[in-house]
Amino acid sequence: QKEVEQNSGPLSVPEGAIASLNCTYSDRGSQSFFWYRQYSGKSPELIMSIYSNGDKEDGRFTAQLNKASQYVSLLIRDSQPSDSATYLCAVSRGKLIFGQGTELSVKP
Amino acid sequence: GAGVSQSPSNKVTEKGKDVELRCDPISGHTALYWYRQSLGQGLEFLIYFQGNSAPDKSGLPSDRFSAERTGGSVSTLTIQRTQQEDSAVYLCASSLNSGTLHTQYFGPGTRLTVL
Repeated sequence: QKEVEQNSGPLSVPEGAIASLNCTYSDRGSQSFFWYRQYSGKSPELIMSIYSNGDKEDGRFTAQLNKASQYVSLLIRDSQPSDSATYLCAVSRGKLIFGQGTELSVKP
Repeated sequence: GAGVSQSPSNKVTEKGKDVELRCDPISGHTALYWYRQSLGQGLEFLIYFQGNSAPDKSGLPSDRFSAERTGGSVSTLTIQRTQQEDSAVYLCASSLNSGTLHTQYFGPGTRLTVL
């Protein structure tokens, strides 16, 4: 079992819809979680960080953390074609442990 | 302000040659991380520095890989006797300090191709 698991996708949603990206992790002691976005041929850029159970909202993005169930999710509201990218979930132990990434495609 | 910079952006080398990859972190960031991203392997941790010391080298795949950081700033990752399986994008990241709460910011990466 990988330490951080994501569905590889591709996940396809129509423009304006909500995209839901999920991630599970195996180390129950993990404290810090990050979502990065990576466009093809580019390096990862931070979307959200979350440390506490519950929801954290930033514009069209909402991160959700449930430590009891060991999952983290990212919701993207009003999805735009420019959101099409690979979304990487990461758990921090100082070093980042990444999932394989979920490829999101937003169709106009 | 300036982000993390890496050089070269692309490197093509022949099998058996040595290569050096450079990372210049965000000014004031004390922690520096090296990762590797290859098809099928995802993004893998290699080594990190806190200041000039490397508390965690657990991700270095073999003794052909080494890294150093001098002056608490620039870091170089050296791969000796390169092999085709070393072909990947090498990413450097920096954060204000080490520890789980600090966000890591990535540089643009160096794409290494070993022929």
